[in-house]
Amino acid sequence: NAGVTQTPKFQVLKTGQSMTLQCAQDMNHNSMYWYRQDPGMGLRLIYYSASEGTTDKGEVPNGYNVSRLNKREFSLRLESAAPSQTSVYFCASSEQAGGLTNEKLFFGSGTQLSVL
Amino acid sequence: DAKTTQPTSMDCAEGRAANLPCNHSTISGNEYVYWYRQIHSQGPQYIIHGLKNNETNEMASLIITEDRKSSTLILPHATLRDTAVYYCIVRDNYGQNFVFGPGTRLSVLP
Repeated sequence: NAGVTQTPKFQVLKTGQSMTLQCAQDMNHNSMYWYRQDPGMGLRLIYYSASEGTTDKGEVPNGYNVSRLNKREFSLRLESAAPSQTSVYFCASSEQAGGLTNEKLFFGSGTQLSVL
Repeated sequence: DAKTTQPTSMDCAEGRAANLPCNHSTISGNEYVYWYRQIHSQGPQYIIHGLKNNETNEMASLIITEDRKSSTLILPHATLRDTAVYYCIVRDNYGQNFVFGPGTRLSVLP
């Protein structure tokens, strides 16, 4: 059981380049999330998808777009990368749809992104 | 949104119990307290959660005060592998997002 899988693990971009971070979960979870973590800080929510077909902005959505391709996959796209987007990106999933308080997050191993 | 306050860092001797406190004085009645930890640069890992009663699992124990304004995560016999950042989280009012603060950096010392 792989859980939450993120690709790539590392990426270096030049300013202005675009890329998509991929995330897939095999736990049949309804909700999926994208977080970023800057050095020495906690995680900040970028976007989330409470269920297939829906996406919503989190705390820091500017400069990002997401696609909930199907129940398994949730991708994060940087259209024009900026140095401020240098960070570690984590994808997560949870079993229950939004509105319920009793659920756990399962995280992927992260993507380390550097924008030069 | 309910907020949490945790000490920035703590040390614990290997083999001893590690007691990590968390204040959440604005928690509302239907919000759970969750604990996660993040070892080095890995993704955060779920540890335990609770509503009112004390909870125990194979990883840790969670003690929640009667007024629910604070809680303590207990690692009964800390090992070097328990060195990590520990996050205390209370779900937000819409039940949608987990808000991760800076957490407590626990160092287990030999």
